[in-house]
Amino acid sequence: DVKVTQSSRYLVKRTGEKVFLECVQDMDHENMFWYRQDPGLGLRLIYFSYDVKMKEKGDIPEGYSVSREKKERFSLILESASTNQTSMYLCAISSHGDSRNQGGYTFGSGTRLTVV
Amino acid sequence: GEDVEQSLFLSVREGDSSVINCTYTDSSSTYLYWYKQEPGAGLQLLTYIFSNMDMKQDQRLTVLLNKKDKHLSLRIADTQTGDSAIYFCADHSGGYQKVTFGTGTKLQVIP
Repeated sequence: DVKVTQSSRYLVKRTGEKVFLECVQDMDHENMFWYRQDPGLGLRLIYFSYDVKMKEKGDIPEGYSVSREKKERFSLILESASTNQTSMYLCAISSHGDSRNQGGYTFGSGTRLTVV
Repeated sequence: GEDVEQSLFLSVREGDSSVINCTYTDSSSTYLYWYKQEPGAGLQLLTYIFSNMDMKQDQRLTVLLNKKDKHLSLRIADTQTGDSAIYFCADHSGGYQKVTFGTGTKLQVIP
């Protein structure tokens, strides 16, 4: 089975800190995504990447950046954490050629970030 | 942009059937998905349906698609306490490999 690993389950950071959230996959999937999940708002796409060194803005990219230097790793960076970035962050992957899931995503377990 | 809507909460008794509903706006959808999220976990793909299908059955799960009304539903037969979770509807739209998620429906199963 495909595995998507997010480096931390829970994280507490101070306002103004630079925060790195890491996501690593153990398959050769092209597409990687970062979402945040908030009650009543569902999942909102922050950034995604179709290949190494490629990145595209999602629906709510403000205050975030990403890095994809290697195919298996996609990092989400909060340049200067603020309290309104307190949320659950979910990484997901998919593959163009995944006929079993037909483009459906495989998710990591999530990182619950609290900014104080 | 594309929009996917669900009711926020559903409560059913153990053994009854659950029906979770979803509406979407994108007429060019190719696939629609149902995901399950258990407490403290990420989302798990439950099932999907291709847009030219009306129905798909997979054990206790039945997915119905009304493409004319842009309405998708997930029926869970013989609902168990282990089915308690948040269920997300999702629509493959907005470009290659990009998926839009609904707000999620929290299913509570009463023993």
